[in-house]
Amino acid sequence: DQQVKQNSPSLSVQEGRISILNCDYTNSMFDYFLWYKKYPAEGPTFLISISSIKDKNEDGRFTVFLNKSAKHLSLHIVPSQPGDSAVYFCAASARNSGYALNFGKGTSLLVTP
Amino acid sequence: DTGVSQNPRHKITKRGQNVTFRCDPISEHNRLYWYRQTLGQGPEFLTYFQNEAQLEKSRLLSDRFSAERPKGSFSTLEIQRTEQGDSAMYLCASSLGLSGGPTDTQYFGPGTRLTVL
Repeated sequence: DQQVKQNSPSLSVQEGRISILNCDYTNSMFDYFLWYKKYPAEGPTFLISISSIKDKNEDGRFTVFLNKSAKHLSLHIVPSQPGDSAVYFCAASARNSGYALNFGKGTSLLVTP
Repeated sequence: DTGVSQNPRHKITKRGQNVTFRCDPISEHNRLYWYRQTLGQGPEFLTYFQNEAQLEKSRLLSDRFSAERPKGSFSTLEIQRTEQGDSAMYLCASSLGLSGGPTDTQYFGPGTRLTVL
């Protein structure tokens, strides 16, 4: 049962434009949400996170928005750069499972020059 | 600090053989996690340790899977009697684990890719 869903397997964006990656979750016990970025032959790298008590967190070009009522979060990358091309995983965790991460299937982002 | 390391990076084995993977966490990281990633999927949580104590193992995929962290430093994941369905990337992550809370960022290693023939 996939508790974290990323319904877009891929996304292509022009350099300089905004990239928006979406994620939905079903488990209301999740209280912490993260985005990881993965390049081929490497492990996932932590990008940005947000607690369920917030609705927005920003770090440089990356902003994560959380809509708890809709059980939806999104990652905005502005401006997008070719080096951002990677697979992005949304993950969620809950206190009652030791904050083990539950991942979505990932969205492959391609930023074209 | 060299990050989380995993060995071997690749393992090819025949069905029915046992395999063991090693994970060396970032030094002074108290928590260590194991995940499995199959093609087209995100990483799937298997188990985790706080120092040498295995705090969650109900999500190990079957009784053929076991993990240890005997001295609270490196960890091993063993798969007995491998099956073709075990072919996947096995990822290890570590975190400071001081608070055990949500902000305890997990840092991943490069993974061990297992192929069962």
